[in-house]
Amino acid sequence: DSGVTQTPKHLITATGQRVTLRCSPRSGDLSVYWYQQSLDQGLQFLIHYYNGEERAKGNILERFSAQQFPDLHSELNLSSLELGDSALYFCASSPLPRAGELFFGEGSRLTVL
Amino acid sequence: GQQVMQIPQYQHVQEGEDFTTYCNSSTTLSNIQWYKQRPGGHPVFLIQLVKSGEVKKQKRLTFQFGEAKKNSSLHITATQTTDVGTYFCAGREDNYGQNFVFGPGTRLSVLP
Repeated sequence: DSGVTQTPKHLITATGQRVTLRCSPRSGDLSVYWYQQSLDQGLQFLIHYYNGEERAKGNILERFSAQQFPDLHSELNLSSLELGDSALYFCASSPLPRAGELFFGEGSRLTVL
Repeated sequence: GQQVMQIPQYQHVQEGEDFTTYCNSSTTLSNIQWYKQRPGGHPVFLIQLVKSGEVKKQKRLTFQFGEAKKNSSLHITATQTTDVGTYFCAGREDNYGQNFVFGPGTRLSVLP
């Protein structure tokens, strides 16, 4: 158990819909990272927050947005969903402002039909 | 932008054989990390290498960071079925980099 909690674990929705994925980092970790992993693919970096502030953006679509709240949990919002958005979305946390060892949650598997 | 490649993409070995995966970056890295993801699981941190030419060992696993800090390798001696999974390297381009760029991973299958 990494100490990072992600909900929901599984989500099935239709094209055009909007979903919100939630992540609670390890206790004390101020950094939250979001990654997308499509079937049999690597980990694509989406976005990084540190203590509520956006620190870095990767290949995140304009239809996607994220935020980190004062209690340090983070949410990833995916809108106008397309079939290609079906993937495993991982959240990872780290105690450091710059990337150190990442502790990954178990992921949220999104299926868009 | 920074690109991190890994070879091979897949590797099937007989239990007891050795296994090596190679990681190459298009740019010089400040440090590199290795993660293991079991089937159906999430990535788990294995190690971080920082110094040029650094070699670190964890039981049957040996990690190397190249002299030019653009490549790395993970070698597993005498594989076991518990080694099954995908091994990812992740490189950070400079000390101010906010994130690590992950390679596509090497999927290891171990036949008993």
